[in-house]
Amino acid sequence: AQSVAQPEDQVNVAEGNPLTVKCTYSVSGNPYLFWYVQYPNRGLQFLLKYITGDNLVKGSYGFEAEFNKSQTSFHLKKPSALVSDSALYFCAVRDPLVGGYQKVTFGTGTKLQVIP
Amino acid sequence: ETGVTQSPTHLIKTRGQQVTLRCSSQSGHNTVSWYQQALGQGPQFIFQYYREEENGRGNFPPRFSGLQFPNYSSELNVNALELDDSALYLCASSPRGQGHHGYTFGSGTRLTVV
Repeated sequence: AQSVAQPEDQVNVAEGNPLTVKCTYSVSGNPYLFWYVQYPNRGLQFLLKYITGDNLVKGSYGFEAEFNKSQTSFHLKKPSALVSDSALYFCAVRDPLVGGYQKVTFGTGTKLQVIP
Repeated sequence: ETGVTQSPTHLIKTRGQQVTLRCSSQSGHNTVSWYQQALGQGPQFIFQYYREEENGRGNFPPRFSGLQFPNYSSELNVNALELDDSALYLCASSPRGQGHHGYTFGSGTRLTVV
């Protein structure tokens, strides 16, 4: 079974500082990994994905994530945080070996608070 | 291109009632997935529809059912509502066979069961 863990319920960072939101995963094969962001009372917005290739993937709004197979991690990063980045962030995984349908499993979310 | 549209945005129902939630998928997307997001939790997979058939289901009881129509829009039906069904219900669409593109989510329907 596929699963995702986000060990931090909340991350606080000062505006202008680098930020990291952690994610680890468990799948049978090579994973498809995703990050989504959710603003209050809204649906989730896609930020970036890792399918194959370069371990560092770049996404929307200056975010990037690093895939580390040995540590089964896919941490979200941004060099300089903005107050507007404050939101709820979800890591998600899809096991492509699970045939027949595209089940994506989400983590429990990490609330990012950027302090002015 | 249009995004994913869900209706209604908010709904209040009484325990034991039935509810239908609706979703219009993004143009060109033929696969629709439904998720339940309880307060403070991550989205939980309910089921997925492709070619008007359910082709995957999470750990939800049979009183959660759905439909997909030829235009790829979808409905989520919940019978015999329970208080614990109170949640944000999210619809997500994707092109078939290209799930690695990620989902496009609607803004959700906030269901409150009293």
